[in-house]
Amino acid sequence: VVLTQSPDTLSLSPGEGATLSCWASRRLDNNYLAWYQQRPGQAPRLLISGASKRATGVPDRFSGSGSGTDFTLTISRLEPEDSGVYYCQHYSSLDIFGQGTKLEIK
Amino acid sequence: QLQLQESGPGLVKPSETLSLTCTVSGGSIGNSDHFWGWIRQPPGKGLEWIGTIYYTGRTFYNPSLRSRATLSIDTSKNQMSLKLTSVTAADTAVYYCARVVPVGGNDIWGQGTLVSVST
Repeated sequence: VVLTQSPDTLSLSPGEGATLSCWASRRLDNNYLAWYQQRPGQAPRLLISGASKRATGVPDRFSGSGSGTDFTLTISRLEPEDSGVYYCQHYSSLDIFGQGTKLEIK
Repeated sequence: QLQLQESGPGLVKPSETLSLTCTVSGGSIGNSDHFWGWIRQPPGKGLEWIGTIYYTGRTFYNPSLRSRATLSIDTSKNQMSLKLTSVTAADTAVYYCARVVPVGGNDIWGQGTLVSVST
């Protein structure tokens, strides 16, 4: 499986909404798809698993959707601390990450 | 609260073996509810999965690293380890260990440790 994320970079203003996409080269059984946020100098943080289940402590501004080969991370009401790189991951017996989308909040 | 901490040399010479340890605190690495994984990130680049291990010692490896990587687990010390042989400059990266939720992603990560491969 290859995961392709789009766009590579996204520049938005506080208060706006963001839509990040992740496409899989083949159908993902059981929607084993996670999203992570990585702020500069920090370890990744799990946001979403199972394509749409928010991890503990993740604000409801973050939502995941999609199935099969097309998945989306939506972030509403952007805040400056949302800046960072967002990765999608297909987890199974063999994990794979997308290349990442850099989100800039200006 | 469960925490993970990577440790090991920050500098390794080309062709030698990279050895890292991940120490788990605030919980048991022998917990049958979770797996444990290693992920790396070259400077300025994306995340690459290295492998995953269960408390029984069962392992899963990235096919591209399978021939050089070995994961092990020591439940008595609450630690897991990564060995990567025949390293080159391309293995320079921040190495993370993480707790893996079965069919749920990596929910807890260590802070990461930078390993440079250089003479």
